[in-house]
Amino acid sequence: ETGVTQTPRHLVMGMTNKKSLKCEQHLGHNAMYWYKQSAKKPLELMFVYNFKEQTENNSVPSRFSPECPNSSHLFLHLHTLQPEDSALYLCASSQGQGEDLGYTFGSGTRLTVV
Amino acid sequence: GQNIDQPTEMTATEGAIVQINCTYQTSGFNGLFWYQQHAGEAPTFLSYNVLDGLEEKGRFSSFLSRSKGYSYLLLKELQMKDSASYLCAVIDSNYQLIWGAGTKLIIKP
Repeated sequence: ETGVTQTPRHLVMGMTNKKSLKCEQHLGHNAMYWYKQSAKKPLELMFVYNFKEQTENNSVPSRFSPECPNSSHLFLHLHTLQPEDSALYLCASSQGQGEDLGYTFGSGTRLTVV
Repeated sequence: GQNIDQPTEMTATEGAIVQINCTYQTSGFNGLFWYQQHAGEAPTFLSYNVLDGLEEKGRFSSFLSRSKGYSYLLLKELQMKDSASYLCAVIDSNYQLIWGAGTKLIIKP
């Protein structure tokens, strides 16, 4: 158990579906992140929340909608996705800067859009 | 732009030593991480370097040269379980993490 839990582990959805990814951390961290990981590409930062406030949105399409109801939970709501959105979606949390900026990652949700 | 380069894939033999290189061009530097990621699992922290030199942790060591924009991860006495992807990441001047694409390490018996 890494301290950051993501559900579901795997998700297959059609392009007209609506689904949500969930992330939970009980490490007392104040920052949470959504990353997209595609094969042979660097991790792509999607959203950052600090103390429940969104501080970064890296030009992510509106079909991805984050929600952070409290500092321990983070959601990624998905709707009308495209096949190119198929990837591993990783949630991470961190506390502080410098070495404290080291992230603790969840195991990810493997998303397939059909 | 900001860029981190690492080899896409490397192969090594069980019991041997392997060095995975990482070069970076970023706007500022506030530290460099190495993470290990087994297939289908979360990336896990391996090392952090902010000063030049070698940091040793058991079978794994990480080296940094800030003047050269260069780091390497050295794995000794390789085991089959070391087969994984190794991710290099740099903290830039805005304290943002810039990631490399990762190096897939294949260990052969």
